[in-house]
Parts: sequence; C-alpha cells; structure tokens
Amino acid sequence: GENVEQHPSTLSVQEGDSAVIKCTYSDSASNYFPWYKQELGKRPQLIIDIRSNVGEKKDQRIAVTLNKTAKHFSLHITETQPEDSAVYFCAAPSNEKLTFGTGTRLTIIP
Amino acid sequence: DAGITQSPRHKVTETGTPVTLRCHQTENHRYMYWYRQDPGHGLRLIHYSYGVKDTDKGEVSDGYSVSRSKTEDFLLTLESATSSQTSVYFCAIKSGTGSQPQHFGDGTRLSIL
Repeated sequence: GENVEQHPSTLSVQEGDSAVIKCTYSDSASNYFPWYKQELGKRPQLIIDIRSNVGEKKDQRIAVTLNKTAKHFSLHITETQPEDSAVYFCAAPSNEKLTFGTGTRLTIIP
Repeated sequence: DAGITQSPRHKVTETGTPVTLRCHQTENHRYMYWYRQDPGHGLRLIHYSYGVKDTDKGEVSDGYSVSRSKTEDFLLTLESATSSQTSVYFCAIKSGTGSQPQHFGDGTRLSIL
C-alpha cells in the first residue's frame, strides 16, 4: 500500500511570510494528490489538489508542486494571514482509498 | 458543503458497551469511508464501502464492523467498546472511481470510559 510522510510536524511563520509543507509518497502509480486544511474542532476541508499530468497548480495564495520522479509534492502558502493557522494534511491514493500524512500544525505569528 | 451528516456528534459510553455511529449522505455518492483521528496519527482508514453491501477493511479495522444497506447510510459499529477506541471519527464520501476528492462530515467525538 501507499506510504505518505509529511514534514514538518509543526511550523511557525510571521504573518506575511511564506510557508512550505512537504510530503513524500511511495507508490509510483499514484496520480492524484489532495491537500486538506483542518481548523480546530472542524472537519478536514479540501483546499487544493493536483493530478500527475501537471507539475504545479495555483489558487490565489496557495500552490502545490509535484515532482513525480522524486515522488514528492509540496504545499506553498504565500502572504500568510492569521486565518491560515490550522493543521494541514497531504494525501496520496491507493486504489479507491487515500493515505494521509500525519499533519502539519501551522501557526501564523501576528 | 457536501451533504454529509454524522450522528451523534458527541457520545460518552462505558467500556464493553456496543456503539453505532451513523453517516448519512444526500449526494448519492458511491464511495463512503470511516476514519479515526488521533493526535500524532492523522487520519487512519477503518473501513470503506464501494456500494450497497460492498465493504472492505482499512488499516485499523480490528474491533470495528460496518454495514451499508442503503446508498445514503454507512454505519460504523464498535461491538464492545474499549478505551483505545476513544477518538474522533470522521465519515467521508467520494462520487466516483479514480482521482476524485473525498469530502468529510463534521465528525463524532467518542469517549469510552
């Protein structure tokens, strides 16, 4: 099955700076990589996803990059704001299932 | 928001009692999933369903059973709850096969004393 590793486990950045979260996966057949944001006490919510036929996807201040050769993908958040504080999860597919990383707690320092 | 309702939202029970959690969807999606979330472990798959009466195990299925008699309902049962099953349980749904996102319900916080 798929194995997903996520780093760092915690990340603190000054408001306005950029944040980067990285994940690696093991199954070279994986072709879809979603990212979820989970605020305290809330459900995980999909914020962006990328398919293996592209190397980068952007949506306003967030972007995801994918390196299939190295089997890693990253989430980039620019111009961070207090509302970006949350736990972020990456995931990779295995058949019709998703394997999640263990999460990154992002704290934005005002 | 995806049309997913989990019930109950909170439950406290005692060791050894049976517990059933319900996930109800209004999206007519084929795939439904049960996860547990614990600190340091992220989201771990318990069981999932790929159609009515079609289910399969995830990575942490011991001590849990599921049933899906209708497209819209996916039940998770703890036959004899243990303290190690204290967790937050999330249901998720996916519309079709292949590279589709999963969408989560609001979760059930279960405490077993």
